[in-house]
Amino acid sequence: RKEVEQDPGPFNVPEGATVAFNCTYSNSASQSFFWYRQDCRKEPKLLMSVYSSGNEDGRFTAQLNRASQYISLLIRDSKLSDSATYLCVVPFLDTGRRALTFGSGTRLQVQP
Amino acid sequence: GAGVSQSPSNKVTEKGKDVELRCDPISGHTALYWYRQSLGQGLEFLIYFQGNSAPDKSGLPSDRFSAERTGGSVSTLTIQRTQQEDSAVYLCASSHKMNTEAFFGQGTRLTVV
Repeated sequence: RKEVEQDPGPFNVPEGATVAFNCTYSNSASQSFFWYRQDCRKEPKLLMSVYSSGNEDGRFTAQLNRASQYISLLIRDSKLSDSATYLCVVPFLDTGRRALTFGSGTRLQVQP
Repeated sequence: GAGVSQSPSNKVTEKGKDVELRCDPISGHTALYWYRQSLGQGLEFLIYFQGNSAPDKSGLPSDRFSAERTGGSVSTLTIQRTQQEDSAVYLCASSHKMNTEAFFGQGTRLTVV
């Protein structure tokens, strides 16, 4: 099993739709998780940090389920500008290696 | 405030030459990461530095790759005897401490011809 797994997509959704991505991870002792977005040919940019059970910021909601070892990202009322690749990031404190392990990303395409 | 700065932004080099890529992290950030990303692929971890601890080099793909971080600030990633498969975008990130939010530079696009 990969340390961090994401559905690569693409998710093609119309403007205004609600879309959710899941990210599963192998055992981690981390207390924090992150979602980044990456636009084509650009660097990843921090979207949300997830501590405890979840976080909400406007149209974006992230939730953490430790028992099932997954993190989700929900985007409501999708905008064209939300089109990007969304990267799930998990620090693996217990391995002591490769802190901030990135998933391979889920591509979102919002269509008019 | 200033973000993570990487230089050069683009580098074209001939196969077999050595290259040095520079990363200037956000001031006060103790953790520094190097990743590389080939076209259409995910981020591949290379190395990270945390304060004065020994760096985690477990992601370096071969002994042609090395990195230093001098004075706990600027870092240099060196690739010796470059090969075409080294062509990628090399991304540097820093964070206040290990396993907190990391902020990326704009990357160095390396092309080996």
